Parts: sequence; structure tokens; C-alpha cells
Amino acid sequence: KAGVTQTPRYLIKTRGQQVTLSCSPISGHRSVSWYQQTPGQGLQFLFEYFSETQRNKGNFPGRFSGRQFSNSRSEMNVSTLELGDSALYLCASSFISGGPTGELFFGEGSRLTVL
Amino acid sequence: AQSVSQHNHHVILSEAASLELGCNYSYGGTVNLFWYVQYPGQHLQLLLKYFSGDPLVKGIKGFEAEFIKSKFSFNLRKPSVQWSDTAEYFCAVSPLSGTYKYIFGTGTRLKVLA
Repeated sequence: KAGVTQTPRYLIKTRGQQVTLSCSPISGHRSVSWYQQTPGQGLQFLFEYFSETQRNKGNFPGRFSGRQFSNSRSEMNVSTLELGDSALYLCASSFISGGPTGELFFGEGSRLTVL
Repeated sequence: AQSVSQHNHHVILSEAASLELGCNYSYGGTVNLFWYVQYPGQHLQLLLKYFSGDPLVKGIKGFEAEFIKSKFSFNLRKPSVQWSDTAEYFCAVSPLSGTYKYIFGTGTRLKVLA
């Protein structure tokens, strides 16, 4: 079956702009999580959505937001981009029924460069 | 707040050497534990997981990990590494209660010299 698909794979923006990243989870997965990956910081948790509701949120400023649609597809948005937002943004989906999360299935990521 | 610590940030080994990567977590309740691996140019994938039962779990490619509840640890081991094990390894924790927030460690970059 198809894996987790993230678009776009690469993008370059300038400071002050905003960006929207998209994630299509594996069919049947209702949980989608987003992570920011940077060298030395590892995987920083952004947020998790389950059945269109934000279930968890990390410690990121309000410029980072997300949503999940009825088909489980998810988007994340970063407004007023800063240089420090340059990173690989990873989306992961999981098959859960509302309880603890099991295995995460990751996409290949969207690499954002902010100039 | 829950957290995951990986003590080794960079590890360099020669082929056939033994590997042990440390992982400690901070959480008062019961958790599921995971190790993920990211090979160069590839996406993150599951290496092994512990949910319950035998605290020694085996994963793919000869890796194993031992859950020691009293030490809040879940160390990853491999008796003899290969050049193809060069990758970044992440430990992760998923609580079985509360908000179920899934937390990763900062990762360990392993380089295996041929």
C-alpha cells in the first residue's frame, strides 16, 4: 500500500513569507503527527491530529499551525518565516483508535530553506 | 514533563565492533518504547518496539533492545555492526495514558568504518 506522502519535497522561501506543507497519510490511518528535524536538535514534536482534532501540541510559537481534514490528510502552516525555521519537516501517520500511538510511519519530509 | 535522553550524539565504530546506544526516558506511567532508524537519504523507519512481555526485544537486521523498568532505560544493542548500519538512530516513547504524547530523543549518529 502507498506510504505517507509529503508535498512539496523541497521549497525555498524568504523571511516574512508563509508556507503550507501537505501530508497524505497511509490509507486507514487517522492520526497524523508533524515533527521538525534539524541537526543537533533531533525530532522536535510540533503537533498531532486525530480525527480532525489536535490531540497534542509541542512547544512551538503560534506561527506554526496545522489542521486535519475529514479524509485524514493534514496540512501545516508556518507564517512570518524566520531563518531558524529552515529544517526538514516530517509527517508521520499511525493507525490508532483513540488510545496510545503505536508505530509511526514517516514520509520523506519537506525540506524548507528560509533565506 | 516527559523527556527522552540519548547520551551518545555521535558514535564511530569499526566493522564487527559491538554497539550499545543508551536511551533513558522520564515519565511516571507505563509506556511503549521504540527505536527508529534513518539511513542516509531514506525516511525514518521502525527498528524495534516494546509494548509488554519479555523485556528483551529483537528487531530487524540483528538489533535488539532491553527494557529495564527500574532504570527507565531502553538501550539498543548489536553484537557486530556492519558498514550498512551507518545511520541515525532515534529512541521514542509513547505513554499509555494521559495525552499519549509521542516523544523522541535527539538521536545518535552512528558511523561504521569499513
